[in-house]
Amino acid sequence: EVQLLESGGGLVQPGGSLRLSCGASGFTFSNFAMTWVRQAPGKGLEWVSAISGSGGSTYYADSVKGRFTISRDNSKNTLYLQMNSLRDEDTAIYYCAKRVVGSGWFDPWGQGTLVIVSS
Amino acid sequence: AIQMTQSPSSLSASVGDRVTITCRASQGIRNDFGWYQQKPGKAPKLLIYAASSLQSGVPSRFSGSGSGTDFTLTISSLQPEDFATYYCLQDYNYPPTFGQGTKVEVK
Repeated sequence: EVQLLESGGGLVQPGGSLRLSCGASGFTFSNFAMTWVRQAPGKGLEWVSAISGSGGSTYYADSVKGRFTISRDNSKNTLYLQMNSLRDEDTAIYYCAKRVVGSGWFDPWGQGTLVIVSS
Repeated sequence: AIQMTQSPSSLSASVGDRVTITCRASQGIRNDFGWYQQKPGKAPKLLIYAASSLQSGVPSRFSGSGSGTDFTLTISSLQPEDFATYYCLQDYNYPPTFGQGTKVEVK
């Protein structure tokens, strides 16, 4: 069974940093692009970042460019999101998902990890 | 960025009703498009990919159609477990963008 499990969320002050992890199992991790999507409380879905299977190509939403860094360790089947210079508006549930590029396919999703940016 | 305009933003329906949700892209996106269902407190779930392909395990009452700029999700006979929020997603180029969501509520 394909599974994704996020961790690393929590409460952080504005300007602080946090690193999210997403552990993958049940598929050949290095063969697939991965993506992060977030959802602010009571709001819709917002794409955050994506990475190719090799890790050689990365992409970011304008709202996080220069502050967030996506990476992966294919030997550990783990996806990461390093979040720096956090702002109040980064408060959200962060989901990781396996991606098939160009087909509208983000599946499956992890259960999400909550990041709260507040003083 | 490509804008995805989803309508309606909410609808009220009864069990057994036929429900249609539409999504319009601000430019052509071929069929690089999906539909997602999200229930409260849960992660989104893929229903339809490549505009009209049913994801494995998804009931056949869900169907998708469209290509280019206009897309439709149809639930042929609404079931109690289908009351949820539905989102569309374009994956044609970066950044991928979601519609604002359609909440399907009990009438």
